[in-house]
Amino acid sequence: DQQVKQNSPSLSVQEGRISILNCDYTNSMFDYFLWYKKYPAEGPTFLISISSIKDKNEDGRFTVFLNKSAKHLSLHIVPSQPGDSAVYFCAARITGNQFYFGTGTSLTVIP
Amino acid sequence: EPEVTQTPSHQVTQMGQEVILRCVPISNHLYFYWYRQILGQKVEFLVSFYNNEISEKSEIFDDQFSVERPDGSNFTLKIRSTKLEDSAMYFCASSDNRYNEQFFGPGTRLTVL
Repeated sequence: DQQVKQNSPSLSVQEGRISILNCDYTNSMFDYFLWYKKYPAEGPTFLISISSIKDKNEDGRFTVFLNKSAKHLSLHIVPSQPGDSAVYFCAARITGNQFYFGTGTSLTVIP
Repeated sequence: EPEVTQTPSHQVTQMGQEVILRCVPISNHLYFYWYRQILGQKVEFLVSFYNNEISEKSEIFDDQFSVERPDGSNFTLKIRSTKLEDSAMYFCASSDNRYNEQFFGPGTRLTVL
């Protein structure tokens, strides 16, 4: 069951431009969403989260947008930096229950 | 900064053998998790553990799997009789409560031959 989907396996962006990573989900009961970043040979690192009562959460260069009617989540990185090159996973849960992860999007920021 | 650690980083085993993957969660965390990621696939939840018992488990976590917190610091995942399809990265995670983000370890790569 693919409850969380990241339809773009990869994305390339020029340094300084905006990176937009997308995530769709199917379960309308999800009420908490996160983005994780993963470098090779490391575990996922928490990046930013959003509760379903909000539609935007911002932390420095990272902003997460939630569109509940479309069941769509996006992560904006601006400006993109070469160090942002990694695999980004979105995850969703019903509070207190297990997280469901997407398959990941590999972001490459070109210097 | 406190972090989750896992040992070994890579484990190679023969099919049918038992393996134990070890994790040391962040010290003040109370909730512990195991996930796995088969190469090229999504990260999949296996089990969550709180107060010395399993609180949730997925369909993947069958009778071949068990978890234990043998002392105050370690959290282990045991696979009793490994199969080829158990080959994956296994990630341990911990959180201070069930509502917050989980902090992941670097993973153990399990290769079953």
